[in-house]
Parts: sequence; C-alpha cells; structure tokens
Amino acid sequence: EIVMTQSPATLSVSPGERATLSCRASQSVSSNLAWYQQKPGQAPRLLIYGASTRATGIPARFSGSGSGTEFTLTISSLQSEDFAVYYCQQYNNWPAWTFGQGTKVEIK
Amino acid sequence: EVQLVQSGAEVKKPGESLKISCKGSGYSFTSYWIGWVRQMPGKGLEWMGIIYPGDSDTRYSPSFQGQVTISADKSISTAYLQWSSLKASDTAMYYCARGESGYPFDYWGQGTLVTVSS
Repeated sequence: EIVMTQSPATLSVSPGERATLSCRASQSVSSNLAWYQQKPGQAPRLLIYGASTRATGIPARFSGSGSGTEFTLTISSLQSEDFAVYYCQQYNNWPAWTFGQGTKVEIK
Repeated sequence: EVQLVQSGAEVKKPGESLKISCKGSGYSFTSYWIGWVRQMPGKGLEWMGIIYPGDSDTRYSPSFQGQVTISADKSISTAYLQWSSLKASDTAMYYCARGESGYPFDYWGQGTLVTVSS
C-alpha cells in the first residue's frame, strides 16, 4: 500500500496570506495525485488532479505542483471560504487509492 | 448534472445488518466506477473499495476486505455498501464517489451517517 503523508497537520494563516501544504508518497505515484477540500459537514470536493490541473470551477488561487513522491498545494491569497481541511490522494496504484491524513487550514 | 444521492442516516445496534445506497444520475452509470470512503468521527478519509456497475467488478482495500460487501444494481443506477454484523467501530460517515482509472473521485455523494450503539 502506498502511504501518503501530509504536513503540517495544522496550518494557521491570516486571510490574504499564502498557504503551502505538502504531501509525500512512500513511493512514486507519477503525477496521479489529487487534492480535495473538505469543509465541516460537507463532502470532500475535488480541487486538483494530475498534480497540477484545477478541477472545473476551482479558482485560480489554488495551484498544485510536484511529481513522483513530493507534491505541494498552494493557495495564493487565502479567502474566508478556504479555511477547511485539505487531503491529498494518490490514484496511481489502481484501484488501491490512498489518502493522506489531512491538513487543517485555520484562521490565524 | 451529475449527482450521487445517498440514503439517509441510520442508527443500529451491534450485530445488526445494514445496507446503504448511492444512486447516480446525470451520467452513464455503467461507464464509471463507484467508490466508498469511510470517515470516522473527527478523522480523515479512508478508501474502502470500488465497483464497476457495468460488470460488477469489485475491488476492496485490504483493511475492509471481508468486513463489508459492495454491490450495484445497474438497472436502477444504484450502488450499495452493506454489513452483515455491525460493530460500534463502524460508526462513521460513509461517502460514495464516482471515479475511473487514471482519474480521481470527481463527484461525491452527500454522505450517510451510520451510528452503531447499544
């Protein structure tokens, strides 16, 4: 099983600031990496797939980068609606997909 | 519009059986996989397994193999997740989501909360 490790567990950021979230895979997943956002009481929402492609309707302030084992999600200027938990997921090892444990982005 | 609509919240006792559902609409139900994801209270997302309704090909995470059964009825565009004997540790929110090889879960159901308590 491919283990996904996210850091940090919690990120405290002020509105308007930049947030950088990391995700590491225990072995290469190529670019088969997705990021999801989950707000309290809601289902996860797909933000990024293919490590760097924004899903439909996702604002340009969200960007993803990386390949192989190291990945980054960047939110360029945090808006109030961006405070949430973010998960990475590898879908390279079909169909044994695995998620990271999540990073909570909270208001500083 | 693609939609996955899940069945409502359930409260069960340990040892009881349960089957929850996920109905797809707005797309070809038999052309995409449906996965199930568990989220225990205050915890992260866990991939449980996945089914291809077109031919009922089903795969399970090793962590959930033998613990649950995933099935689908393509005639009514519905996937299912079932337990034969619930435990308190099965208390969680369960999500279904649409996926395919080479592409992640793009649409998610609203979740079904399962509470198991004596």
